Amino acid sequence: NAGVTQTPKFQVLKTGQSMTLQCAQDMNHEYMSWYRQDPGMGLRLIHYSVGAGITDQGEVPNGYNVSRSTTEDFPLRLLSAAPSQTSVYFCASREGQGNSPLHFGNGTRLTVT
Amino acid sequence: GENVEQHPSTLSVQEGDSAVIKCTYSDSASNYFPWYKQELGKGPQLIIDIRSNVGEKKDQRIAVTLNKTAKHFSLHITETQPEDSAVYFCAASLYNTDKLIFGTGTRLQVFP
Repeated sequence: NAGVTQTPKFQVLKTGQSMTLQCAQDMNHEYMSWYRQDPGMGLRLIHYSVGAGITDQGEVPNGYNVSRSTTEDFPLRLLSAAPSQTSVYFCASREGQGNSPLHFGNGTRLTVT
Repeated sequence: GENVEQHPSTLSVQEGDSAVIKCTYSDSASNYFPWYKQELGKGPQLIIDIRSNVGEKKDQRIAVTLNKTAKHFSLHITETQPEDSAVYFCAASLYNTDKLIFGTGTRLQVFP
């Protein structure tokens, strides 16, 4: 199993551009989520999904959209990038209930200039 | 909502010494407390977790303690080794909810 795969690894955007961060998992996990990691801020939950067709907001959802059309994929969309969205983004999945371990991808480092 | 505070932000120890990282949480209803280790260039990985019906849990050189009354929990690493150098995150959530809230992280450096 590849686990959780994130692409791209690095991305540079100009303010106002749009892009999609891809996340795929091959573990048949129902739950998937997106976090952003900033210095001194830890990991903050952006959006999450408990299954195909279901998404919900986390702590910092503004400026991001998600959809979950399949169990495997959970893309994160930035419609109009802002410098405040410069961060490292992590996708994570888990099986079962909230006390199951989260499996993280290796992250996407995004810079918005 | 839940808020998790973590201290210290950086910790340096000599190889063989012990390291302790502390976290406090705000929501008394939280009952699941995992710890994640993040190595450079990688995503966090679960190393140990504890539920609110348990006061302490050990796994080899790693232990976690929980004080529900004070709403704090701690990670203890004994006999530290250079490979323990990483960023450690605590987290808290309410069982059966879907929001795991993380602390701000502790960068641990173990010097040989």
